[in-house]
Amino acid sequence: EPEVTQTPSHQVTQMGQEVILRCVPISNHLYFYWYRQILGQKVEFLVSFYNNEISEKSEIFDDQFSVERPDGSNFTLKIRSTKLEDSAMYFCASSSQGPSNQPQHFGDGTRLSIL
Amino acid sequence: AQSVTQLGSHVSVSEGALVLLRCNYSSSVPPYLFWYVQYPNQGLQLLLKYTTGATLVKGINGFEAEFKKSETSFHLTKPSAHMSDAAEYFCAVTSNKAAGNKLTFGGGTRVLVKP
Repeated sequence: EPEVTQTPSHQVTQMGQEVILRCVPISNHLYFYWYRQILGQKVEFLVSFYNNEISEKSEIFDDQFSVERPDGSNFTLKIRSTKLEDSAMYFCASSSQGPSNQPQHFGDGTRLSIL
Repeated sequence: AQSVTQLGSHVSVSEGALVLLRCNYSSSVPPYLFWYVQYPNQGLQLLLKYTTGATLVKGINGFEAEFKKSETSFHLTKPSAHMSDAAEYFCAVTSNKAAGNKLTFGGGTRVLVKP
């Protein structure tokens, strides 16, 4: 079964540094998402992306964050200047269609640790 | 705005006993509801979904859930727990917009299965 893959599985970065989290969505999917889960807290929506632009973003997704689909297969999340509070598990997801009844498929996540 | 409440952050069941995980949602539009499961060090895997139609939905691994609009609930059940059911379970809601449908998650319920 096709799956969403995320790299790296664990990223350790110094505070203030830029980090790029990478995702390869399922190949025929058109809608892409990033979520994060701070340890002990809920999974939170960050951003959705369709047709090469952001569809929706949460208040968490401030100017420090950006997303890009640089080619036909990758979907990246960049954090420009990391803060301690960015430490979390970041999940990428994709779905085949926009209507909500098409479920989102999730990757295994990237654990981001900011020192 | 949407929200999800999962009653009980931890549930302990004996092997062979009923598993009942509670989920209540709040949504100003007809909801689409999902249950995801997360095994250790893995991503979120879809268990089942409710969109329209039959209110009792069956999913993988013997799980089912019933949508009760009057109670704004979507509780997850399995008649007989197996050791392999030990995991964290997340209830999620989205709305029926055309695109960019973010999932709003509950806080999760960690299930422990005792032999």
